[in-house]
Amino acid sequence: ETGVTQSPTHLIKTRGQQVTLRCSSQSGHNTVSWYQQALGQGPQFIFQYYREEENGRGNFPPRFSGLQFPNYSSELNVNALELDDSALYLCASSLGLAEISTDTQYFGPGTRLTVL
Amino acid sequence: AQSVAQPEDQVNVAEGNPLTVKCTYSVSGNPYLFWYVQYPNRGLQFLLKYITGDNLVKGSYGFEAEFNKSQTSFHLKKPSALVSDSALYFCAVRDPMDSNYQLIWGAGTKLIIKP
Repeated sequence: ETGVTQSPTHLIKTRGQQVTLRCSSQSGHNTVSWYQQALGQGPQFIFQYYREEENGRGNFPPRFSGLQFPNYSSELNVNALELDDSALYLCASSLGLAEISTDTQYFGPGTRLTVL
Repeated sequence: AQSVAQPEDQVNVAEGNPLTVKCTYSVSGNPYLFWYVQYPNRGLQFLLKYITGDNLVKGSYGFEAEFNKSQTSFHLKKPSALVSDSALYFCAVRDPMDSNYQLIWGAGTKLIIKP
């Protein structure tokens, strides 16, 4: 086990609604990243937070937003849900040392979001 | 643009035989390369990474990978496959020059080890 937890495990929403997914990082990890993994595909990078500030973002619209808290927890918020948002959402934490690019990321089990 | 290719959707290997899962990449500079494994209904587990130094990297569960700069490849290998190695394997690359710190992932290769 990586020590990274996510909640809820599964979630069903309807189009247009808003959703908040939660992640608890390993203690001491300053960096958290969020990914979207559609069925049969590799993960797609959404964004990364380092010490509560967003410091990297993939090709996702602004309706995908996040927060990172001092207690190693974080949130992914998605507004105006679309059918294509149905996917497994993964969070990953890492130490956040000087060379962030070389950090190993430790993943949670994911939240399966279904948008109807 | 950065990219990763895993040319095989599925690899079938008999238990006890050596296995190879292929990965090629494209980045503008020297890459940071990672392999992860995903078991059903579970998150991704780190296997190994190449940052710099020795081209042969040893990782968890007896896996290793060889960085080949000229062929832009980072194939995952194991000398003797176990049935329990059956899972989905992902290669990922990060460009050290990318200020977004994106980890770019391949589409995954399903590894099936037959008894």
